[in-house]
Amino acid sequence: RKEVEQDPGPFNVPEGATVAFNCTYSNSASQSFFWYRQDCRKEPKLLMSVYSSGNEDGRFTAQLNRASQYISLLIRDSKLSDSATYLCVVNPGAAGNKLTFGGGTRVLVKP
Amino acid sequence: DAGVIQSPRHEVTEMGQEVTLRCKPISGHDYLFWYRQTMMRGLELLIYFNNNVPIDDSGMPEDRFSAKMPNASFSTLKIQPSEPRDSAVYFCASSPASGVGKLFFGSGTQLSVL
Repeated sequence: RKEVEQDPGPFNVPEGATVAFNCTYSNSASQSFFWYRQDCRKEPKLLMSVYSSGNEDGRFTAQLNRASQYISLLIRDSKLSDSATYLCVVNPGAAGNKLTFGGGTRVLVKP
Repeated sequence: DAGVIQSPRHEVTEMGQEVTLRCKPISGHDYLFWYRQTMMRGLELLIYFNNNVPIDDSGMPEDRFSAKMPNASFSTLKIQPSEPRDSAVYFCASSPASGVGKLFFGSGTQLSVL
C-alpha cells in the first residue's frame, strides 16, 4: 500500500460548481498535512496546511479525519484558474522534515 | 526574493555521461530538498539537508547519485554515469526551520538521458 494515495482523476468540473476529493495516508502517526497545487509543467506550490479542526482559505476548505486516516479538499465556486493537479502531502513527523507526496488529483474546470 | 534557483532548466545528455544539477536555495532557509518527478512514480524525495548536513538520503536510487551542499547557498545533485531511466524532472526545494512542510520549489530541471 502506498503511504499517500489519491484518486488521479481527472475531475471535470463546471465553472462555478463545487468539487471535493480525498487523500488517504497509511501512517497513523503522521503529524502534519498539507495540500500543494501544481500547474502543468510547473513546480508544486503550497496551497494550504490542514489543521485538525479543519480550515478554510477563501474558496478552499481542508479537513482532516484522523480516525479514518484521510484528508480532504473542497473547492467552492470553481474558477477556470483552479485547473491544476492537487498534491496531498504528509509529514510523518518522526523523521524531521521528510514529506511524502501523493500522486496528485487532476482537476479540470470547464466553462 | 528571487526564490529557489535551479540550473540548467533543461539537460539532454547521452547515456553514460555525467550530469550535474545545481540549486540555490532561498537565503535564510535551513532545509534543502532534492525531489524527482516522473509520471509513473510521482514526486519522490531523494535527499534532504539541514544546515548543509545531509539528514536523509534513503531516497537516492543508487550509488550513481550523489548530492552535496558545500555552503548554505548552493547544492548540487550529480548522476554518474547517467542512464535513460534517470530521465525525469528534478526539483530542488528549500524551507525555513519554522516552516515544517512549507516548501518553496525551484522551477525544476528537465533531464533527458538518451
